[in-house]
Amino acid sequence: GENVGLHLPTLSVQEGDNSIINCAYSNSASDYFIWYKQESGKGPQFIIDIRSNMDKRQGQRVTVLLNKTVKHLSLQIAATQPGDSAVYFCAENMNTGNQFYFGTGTSLTVIP
Amino acid sequence: KAGVTQTPRYLIKTRGQQVTLSCSPISGHRSVSWYQQTPGQGLQFLFEYFSETQRNKGNFPGRFSGRQFSNSRSEMNVSTLELGDSALYLCASREGSMATGELFFGEGSRLTVL
Repeated sequence: GENVGLHLPTLSVQEGDNSIINCAYSNSASDYFIWYKQESGKGPQFIIDIRSNMDKRQGQRVTVLLNKTVKHLSLQIAATQPGDSAVYFCAENMNTGNQFYFGTGTSLTVIP
Repeated sequence: KAGVTQTPRYLIKTRGQQVTLSCSPISGHRSVSWYQQTPGQGLQFLFEYFSETQRNKGNFPGRFSGRQFSNSRSEMNVSTLELGDSALYLCASREGSMATGELFFGEGSRLTVL
């Protein structure tokens, strides 16, 4: 079939505001999730992870929320800074497997 | 500790050629995974190696192959290159054999096929 390019969801926020990036995952058996940040020209960088026995985890300026009922993951970034501008991916993994499935990514732009 | 190192960072090949990409994982990491990243398909899993054994393979044709050496360094090879193989190839390492635990990515090897 025709190879249609992915249309990356985009999010623009004002510096200092909070950002919320959403991700719908596909496999109800997935039990481990990671958020990655990828800046232009670089490889993905780990932000925060969460296991399926939790519904919330906090890091420095970031919080991940997991809703297993609707297979939804979100990343909240507090007091967004220009350095947060990047593409953000969620990744899911089943404990019985050794591969991660990545979402399509969300492009975050922080407006100074 | 040095991060994941991939070489070469950039390369240009023509259709029909073959290419070998190299990845040195973080010291002590025994699991190495490869991913292909394109604007059209996002990040897609190629294969994963642990202790020189391929443990998992993604849905790619047999032209894509890999191996891991006793020092955990890994290579991937793509034979008979096609235009659609143009992509950023990312290597990621992980510490142990468990499925959980973060992947540490390299900066990638950007392949352009003309």
